[in-house]
Amino acid sequence: GNSVTQMEGPVTLSEEAFLTINCTYTATGYPSLFWYVQYPGEGLQLLLKATKADDKGSNKGFEATYRKETTSFHLEKGSVQVSDSAVYFCALSVPQGGSEKLVFGKGTKLTVNP
Amino acid sequence: EPEVTQTPSHQVTQMGQEVILRCVPISNHLYFYWYRQILGQKVEFLVSFYNNEISEKSEIFDDQFSVERPDGSNFTLKIRSTKLEDSAMYFCASVRDRDLYNEQFFGPGTRLTVL
Repeated sequence: GNSVTQMEGPVTLSEEAFLTINCTYTATGYPSLFWYVQYPGEGLQLLLKATKADDKGSNKGFEATYRKETTSFHLEKGSVQVSDSAVYFCALSVPQGGSEKLVFGKGTKLTVNP
Repeated sequence: EPEVTQTPSHQVTQMGQEVILRCVPISNHLYFYWYRQILGQKVEFLVSFYNNEISEKSEIFDDQFSVERPDGSNFTLKIRSTKLEDSAMYFCASVRDRDLYNEQFFGPGTRLTVL
């Protein structure tokens, strides 16, 4: 089946620290990969995506590279800010002739302290 | 910027009662979804809906659940007889068309508490 595993949180960092949140997946087909972010009191928002191997998705200083050989899509940011405090979800979608539903990881809560 | 809205933000109900969770998707979107997240667990797909019928549903989406788009703007999830294990955050999402590369837009969620 299709599944996503991401590192357990919570993660607490100081401002300007380097961030990595690990994400690995298993998929029966050729998935598209996503990172969604949820700020307190808000819905899930797409942060970045990659649709084929070796693609790099990037947005707001965050990056993730689609690695087919290691089935990974790790999220990185070189210098985090307090405003990055949120819950981050790794997800995949696989064409199945249905509805292209998203399969999510458990989420990783990030807290950035000033 | 258009957004998906959900009401109520928090619903408390007694076990065995019916609840209806409401969502207003983005107006030109055609595909609609419900997901749920039990506290501390993964966000799970429940059901997708297109052209006034269910496209796909998960094992979770049993006979106690139903969805409807009654008036062309609202998209509702009904749970006929709630159980304690239905307590979760329920997210609605919509997408313009069915494409792997299109972003699904999510609402802020409804927290359902079953007592």
